[in-house]
Amino acid sequence: SQTIHQWPATLVQPVGSPLSLECTVEGTSNPNLYWYRQAAGRGLQLLFYSVGIGQISSEVPQNLSASRPQDRQFILSSKKLLLSDSGFYLCAWIPGGAETQYFGPGTRLLVL
Amino acid sequence: KNQVEQSPQSLIILEGKNCTLQCNYTVSPFSNLRWYKQDTGRGPVSLTIMTFSENTKSNGRYTATLDADTKQSSLHITASQLSDSASYICVVSAKAAGNKLTFGGGTRVLVKP
Repeated sequence: SQTIHQWPATLVQPVGSPLSLECTVEGTSNPNLYWYRQAAGRGLQLLFYSVGIGQISSEVPQNLSASRPQDRQFILSSKKLLLSDSGFYLCAWIPGGAETQYFGPGTRLLVL
Repeated sequence: KNQVEQSPQSLIILEGKNCTLQCNYTVSPFSNLRWYKQDTGRGPVSLTIMTFSENTKSNGRYTATLDADTKQSSLHITASQLSDSASYICVVSAKAAGNKLTFGGGTRVLVKP
């Protein structure tokens, strides 16, 4: 079966600390992968998407970065977190040849 | 610029009543339109997906319509239940590398007993 995992589920980090959020998918190969951020009470904002290993497209300039070291692994990182980085981070994927985008359970990040 | 506008922003309805959510988009070239349901603190879950040639699609008590000429879609919830309380997000996909999606701001629905 096809599943998507995100961890951690929740994270509280001080301003200026680094960040690493991980997303992995199972049961598929060569998926398109996406990172979104959702601020409280707001819509989803696409941060990065990847169509293959090492291929990352950035949608908005910010202090975040993404990497795809393996086909089914997508990592969101930051060297120094800002207060404005707080939010709900969602990883999503589209299986090869499919139309529907599936979302992971999300990581709630609070930067203090 | 690709945009998706949803209305209303929020909605309160009584249990058992029907409601209709609206979505207008300017995404081009159009590939498909999806409706998602997002419970608080959870990831969105797909309800329906429609391509250019589809006018309506149902998923249980949820019925989505699409008018590709006017670039409008609606999501109708029939006989609402308390579990329908959630945000409903309209998402439009453009035909481009990476299946880039444009998200609406969502409509927050609260069903009261």
